[in-house]
Amino acid sequence: KQEVTQIPAALSVPEGENLVLNCSFTDSAIYNLQWFRQDPGKGLTSLLLIQSSQREQTSGRLNASLDKSSGRSTLYIAASQPGDSATYLCAVLVSGGSYIPTFGRGTSLIVHP
Amino acid sequence: NAGVMQNPRHLVRRRGQEARLRCSPMKGHSHVYWYRQLPEEGLKFMVYLQKENIIDESGMPKERFSAEFPKEGPSILRIQQVVRGDSAAYFCASSKSEEETQYFGPGTRLLVL
Repeated sequence: KQEVTQIPAALSVPEGENLVLNCSFTDSAIYNLQWFRQDPGKGLTSLLLIQSSQREQTSGRLNASLDKSSGRSTLYIAASQPGDSATYLCAVLVSGGSYIPTFGRGTSLIVHP
Repeated sequence: NAGVMQNPRHLVRRRGQEARLRCSPMKGHSHVYWYRQLPEEGLKFMVYLQKENIIDESGMPKERFSAEFPKEGPSILRIQQVVRGDSAAYFCASSKSEEETQYFGPGTRLLVL
């Protein structure tokens, strides 16, 4: 059974810092890995999707990497801003199974001015 | 193209009442997924439906919970005789096919008094 762990659970940083959020998974036979953002009281917004054949994806100040062999993904946020404050969720889809992702518990990020 | 719609956004019920949560998928999407997010926990899959069919309900409690996705109209998640432990955020997602990315709705926050 796939298990997804996100570290740290919470993070508070001053504006301008570069951040790394970590996601680890136990079953390396994945189809893809996706990073989401969830604002308080809101739904999930997809940030980046990495297919199993890819090593990284970039969108603006966000960069996500994938290392299947070690069962890890990192989300790098450059030059953080207060508007980046949210919970970041990692979701993993296993190959050859149903298309139901397994979610981590998320990292709650606060970027203060 | 409107996103995934869920209503109501907030629902308050007393113990023993019924809760009905609605989800309208994105236009052109025929696959619907329901997830539950308990406080301080990650999203947990409940049920996966296509039009008029339940494909996977492995994550749904056997009693009191049911889901449908009729030929016409929204998908409905129904919780009978609610208990305090049912208080959570319920998210719906939709996709064009099971291989495609899931798009999430804003969620329904259920509070059972």
